[in-house]
Parts: sequence; C-alpha cells; structure tokens
Amino acid sequence: VQLVESGGGLVQPGGSLRLSCAASGFTFSSYAMNWVRQAPGKGLEWVSIISASGGSTYYADSVKGRFTISRDNSKNSLYLQMNSLRAEDTAVYYCAKDPSNSGSSFDFWGQGTLVTVSS
Amino acid sequence: SYVLTQPPSVSVAPGKTARITCGGNYIGTKSVHWYQQKPGQAPVVVIHYDSDRPSGIPERFSGSNSGNTATLTISRVEAGDEADYYCQVWDSSSGVFGGGTKLTVL
Repeated sequence: VQLVESGGGLVQPGGSLRLSCAASGFTFSSYAMNWVRQAPGKGLEWVSIISASGGSTYYADSVKGRFTISRDNSKNSLYLQMNSLRAEDTAVYYCAKDPSNSGSSFDFWGQGTLVTVSS
Repeated sequence: SYVLTQPPSVSVAPGKTARITCGGNYIGTKSVHWYQQKPGQAPVVVIHYDSDRPSGIPERFSGSNSGNTATLTISRVEAGDEADYYCQVWDSSSGVFGGGTKLTVL
C-alpha cells in the first residue's frame, strides 16, 4: 500500500488549494478514505471521510462548508478542495485509508503535504 | 461533540510497563484505535478495535476498553517506543482523536 499526497504549499488567507492523494497497492474503490491534518507542534485532527463509492461524505465542523472531499476511482485518487482558507488551516495534511467502507481505524497513511496559510 | 482525554505525558524506565489512558463518556461502547507517531513521521496504527494488533506490531503492545476508559499498554518498554500516542474513535460519523500522550523512555 502506498499513499502519496501532493498539492500543498503557501496560500494567502481567503485563498484556495486542491490536495491530491495517489493510491496504489490495494483495490482503491473498495475502501473509504480520509483526510487527517496536524498543525505544527499540535495533535491529530480528523478532517473528512468519503465512502468507497464517493456517495457519502462527512466533515469536521471546523471545515464544513469550506472543504470538499472527492475521489476518482478510475484514477485511484483522492482529493481535498480547500476554499476560504484561514491561518488555522495551516497543517500537514495526511490521506489515510480506512480498512472498511465505514469509519473505523486508519490503517495506512501517506507522508503528508504541508499547507501554509499566510500573507 | 465527543471528547477524548489523554495525559499529556507518561514516563517509564526501559524494561518496565507503560500504560496510556484515553477517557471518554461511555468509551467502552465504542471501538478505540491507537496510533504511534515518531518525530517527522506519519502515524502508525498499533492497536485497532480496542485490542487487535495489526500485522507487524510487537506483542508488547496491547489494548483494553471498558466503561469510560481505554488503555494502551506497552510491556517491556524499549527506547524505540518513545513517541507520541493518540487514541481515536468515531462518534456520529465524525472521527475524534485524543490530544495525544508523549511517552518518554527514561
């Protein structure tokens, strides 16, 4: 199993960014996928989950209405569209595989991509 | 929203047993997962579904969950176990992490 995030970088407050996660080594379309973030020096924070088919999505209250999770099972890819970014969204963003098609544990993680929101 | 409470730090001598707790309202009715994170690395699941060890995790790692407290137990602690540990559950379709516990091996 390999998960590789990309798309992070420096963005101004109020700006947008789209993160991607390329998956390999497993049947991507069979598992729910998550985004989890970690602000510098802080703990882990769950961001969002999408079901295996993409038909169900859930978000943390802190990002609801601003972030959109999506997936393309034909490309084995997971995405996170982040709009109206705030300084408090600065974090390393990890994609994480769920070993089922519903919320359980996160059995594999990518290495993360850093998002910095600053003027 | 559901809150998980962990001690900020736990210290233990090599060869001894470390216990890291995770408190939550009726947490015993939920499945608890535990992650180890070393500096600069992504987290790794060390216990899932309260007490199951994923493949490759040493038998020294074990978990329990009852009432309002879940516990991660690390037996015969080694220097390489020094890391941050996080508990995690699902509540109302939202993932919830504890604040994390820094395990220091003396």
